[in-house]
Amino acid sequence: DSGVTQTPKHLITATGQRVTLRCSPRSGDLSVYWYQQSLDQGLQFLIQYYNGEERAKGNILERFSAQQFPDLHSELNLSSLELGDSALYFCASSGRGDPYNEQFFGPGTRLTVL
Amino acid sequence: KNQVEQSPQSLIILEGKNCTLQCNYTVSPFSNLRWYKQDTGRGPVSLTIMTFSENTKSNGRYTATLDADTKQSSLHITASQLSDSASYICVVSPLQGSNYKLTFGKGTLLTVNP
Repeated sequence: DSGVTQTPKHLITATGQRVTLRCSPRSGDLSVYWYQQSLDQGLQFLIQYYNGEERAKGNILERFSAQQFPDLHSELNLSSLELGDSALYFCASSGRGDPYNEQFFGPGTRLTVL
Repeated sequence: KNQVEQSPQSLIILEGKNCTLQCNYTVSPFSNLRWYKQDTGRGPVSLTIMTFSENTKSNGRYTATLDADTKQSSLHITASQLSDSASYICVVSPLQGSNYKLTFGKGTLLTVNP
């Protein structure tokens, strides 16, 4: 158990809908990262938050947005969903002071868009 | 473009046998290289992290090697067990502390049969 929690575990929805994925980082970790993993694809970095502030953006679509709250949990909002958005979405966290900035991944949310 | 290529794409071995997975990268500059194990449908778990100055690191039956000159790394698994069946992902970081710049390989899918 990495200490990172994600909810829900599974999500099935229809095209055009909007969903929210939730992540709670390990206790004490200030950084949260979101990744998308499609079938047969490597992990794709979406966005990073550090202590409530957006730190970096990767290949995140304009239909997607995220935020990190004062209690450090984070939410990833996906709107106007398309079939191609079906994927595993992972959240990871890392701690301050770690020279390697090792990331600890949550169990993921499997999103299926029908 | 920074890339991480892994081979083979998939591998099937018998329980108790050893195997070696390969990773070639073109990421530059280079700070550290990580190997993750990802069970199907679950989040990746870190196995080893090596900086450019290290050429080997072990974690139990897992031994990673790094040749920064040829930009190659390998992950050797000894005395394989059924629980080693998973995807093994090579990840390269170009800059210390910059997780958002991590480049992920697509992974090698290892199946260990009894």
